[in-house]
Amino acid sequence: AQSVTQLGSHVSVSEGALVLLRCNYSSSVPPYLFWYVQYPNQGLQLLLKYTTGATLVKGINGFEAEFKKSETSFHLTKPSAHMSDAAEYFCAVSDPGGGYNKLIFGAGTRLAVHP
Amino acid sequence: DAGVTQSPTHLIKTRGQQVTLRCSPKSGHDTVSWYQQALGQGPQFIFQYYEEEERQRGNFPDRFSGHQFPNYSSELNVNALLLGDSALYLCASSLTLAGGTDTQYFGPGTRLTVL
Repeated sequence: AQSVTQLGSHVSVSEGALVLLRCNYSSSVPPYLFWYVQYPNQGLQLLLKYTTGATLVKGINGFEAEFKKSETSFHLTKPSAHMSDAAEYFCAVSDPGGGYNKLIFGAGTRLAVHP
Repeated sequence: DAGVTQSPTHLIKTRGQQVTLRCSPKSGHDTVSWYQQALGQGPQFIFQYYEEEERQRGNFPDRFSGHQFPNYSSELNVNALLLGDSALYLCASSLTLAGGTDTQYFGPGTRLTVL
């Protein structure tokens, strides 16, 4: 069965610092991978996704993630944090061969950005 | 172009009651998935509707049921509410393609509180 582990339920960075949010997955086949962001009292917004092709994926708001099959990882990065990046971030996987692509989410990482 | 919409925004019920939540998918989408997000956790897949039928289901009891209408909108019904049903209920819409469903886009959610 597929699963997602997000290391660190809370991450705190200074404004302008590098953001690194970790995601590891367990799957019998290379999955599709997603990062979603959730602002307080809102739904989920897609940041980026990996399906096939280039393993370095660029998303919105300056975020990017790299799919590393050998490490079963899909870590999210941003070179310089902004105060507006403070939110909850969720990594998710879906099985491309399992049909209909239900998403399996990690527990989330809350990112705090301080001045 | 309207995104995914959900109603109501908030709902308070008592144990044993029944509740209906509603979702209108993004224009052009034909598939609706429902997720439950308990406080401090990642979303959990409840079920998915396509062509007015439940196509896939997560590990949720039969108290959770749904419906999809010809215009692709959907309802989530929960019977015999328990305190543990208190959560944010998220609707996601997508387009079903030959190889599965495309990217899921989420609505703002309905916050259900069971007293």
